[in-house]
Amino acid sequence: ETGVTQSPTHLIKTRGQQVTLRCSSQSGHNTVSWYQQALGQGPQFIFQYYREEENGRGNFPPRFSGLQFPNYSSELNVNALELDDSALYLCASRQGPFGKLFFGSGTQLSVL
Amino acid sequence: QQQVKQSPQSLIVQKGGISIINCAYENTAFDYFPWYQQFPGKGPALLIAIRPDVSEKKEGRFTISFNKSAKQFSLHIMDSQPGDSATYFCAASMLGETSGSRLTFGEGTQLTVNP
Repeated sequence: ETGVTQSPTHLIKTRGQQVTLRCSSQSGHNTVSWYQQALGQGPQFIFQYYREEENGRGNFPPRFSGLQFPNYSSELNVNALELDDSALYLCASRQGPFGKLFFGSGTQLSVL
Repeated sequence: QQQVKQSPQSLIVQKGGISIINCAYENTAFDYFPWYQQFPGKGPALLIAIRPDVSEKKEGRFTISFNKSAKQFSLHIMDSQPGDSATYFCAASMLGETSGSRLTFGEGTQLTVNP
């Protein structure tokens, strides 16, 4: 048990729609990051939030955005969904810059 | 640009054997090298990690070997068990407040341990 909970577990959307994925971290985990894992690939870093502000982004367009809330929950929003956005989206959190990184089980997003 | 290359893509070993997975990195600024284990339907779970100031780290049946000059590191699983069958990912990052969660992952190795 990692203490990182993601919802929903599965989601089906249509191209062009918008989606919001949610993550709940352990108390005290003030750093949260999101990853995209395509089938058969390693996770790819999307962005990181630290104390409710984005402070690092991978090679993802602005239509990927996020929010982090004071209650250790966070969101990943994706606008104008594309077929290539179909993937497992993972949330990970840690306590401080040197803490162990805990991953949730992910949300499987399918874009049709 | 892929900064962490992992091999082999898949590996089959017999129960009790040694599983070896290799990774190579490009960015010399990386200073944290973890290995993750992922089962189907689950997120990656940290197995073991190493900093570049040591050449080897052992935790139970899992050992990381690190070669800074060659920019390579490997995972050895001793006495492999069927329960070890999973996908293994190497990763690299720079420790720190803003970069510590920014892991660069390898492509993964599907390990199958036959009974």
